[in-house]
Amino acid sequence: DGGITQSPKYLFRKEGQNVTLSCEQNLNHDAMYWYRQDPGQGLRLIYYSQIVNDFQKGDIAEGYSVSREKKESFPLTVTSAQKNPTAFYLCASSIVWSPGYTGELFFGEGSRLTVL
Amino acid sequence: GENVEQHPSTLSVQEGDSAVIKCTYSDSASNYFPWYKQELGKGPQLIIDIRSNVGEKKDQRIAVTLNKTAKHFSLHITETQPEDSAVYFCAASNSNAGNMLTFGGGTRLMVKP
Repeated sequence: DGGITQSPKYLFRKEGQNVTLSCEQNLNHDAMYWYRQDPGQGLRLIYYSQIVNDFQKGDIAEGYSVSREKKESFPLTVTSAQKNPTAFYLCASSIVWSPGYTGELFFGEGSRLTVL
Repeated sequence: GENVEQHPSTLSVQEGDSAVIKCTYSDSASNYFPWYKQELGKGPQLIIDIRSNVGEKKDQRIAVTLNKTAKHFSLHITETQPEDSAVYFCAASNSNAGNMLTFGGGTRLMVKP
């Protein structure tokens, strides 16, 4: 089955530690995205990647970092600089990302990060 | 930038009744308006979308209407069923900016059997 796999589903972290959330897709999509979901605030874009070896900051990139070394993989690192990291993180992909294109986002099942 | 407001934040209906969720947007250049459904423990899934060149779109029990002049769009679910219970998100984007969606805050719909 084609889709997006996020791991781990639940993650606990002590303050001051970096953590990396995994996102893998087998849809052969060019574009990938990371969103943060907080109650009542909808989904906010952290980073997106149009193509391998390229990524751009979204609305709330501070305290986060990403890489895109392979088409299938777009890991997100939550660094100790992120002041309020406890949240639900969603990875998504779309066929492409280009001016003039709007289309379906395919989401993973999310990773819930709790900072103790 | 774009701002999307969604109301209500929670909605409870009896099975068989209709449900309506409303969103307003601020950027008149926005031209793509999708709706996503998020079931418990899952990621959001696209259920219907509308582009600014049409005013209404239907898919079985689900319909979306768009009023470009007033900058608002709505999701209508008829004959609600318990499996419609979920969180629904509206979103807006301007295709010239690529696939950059701005989401509303979400509506938790509860359908009581």
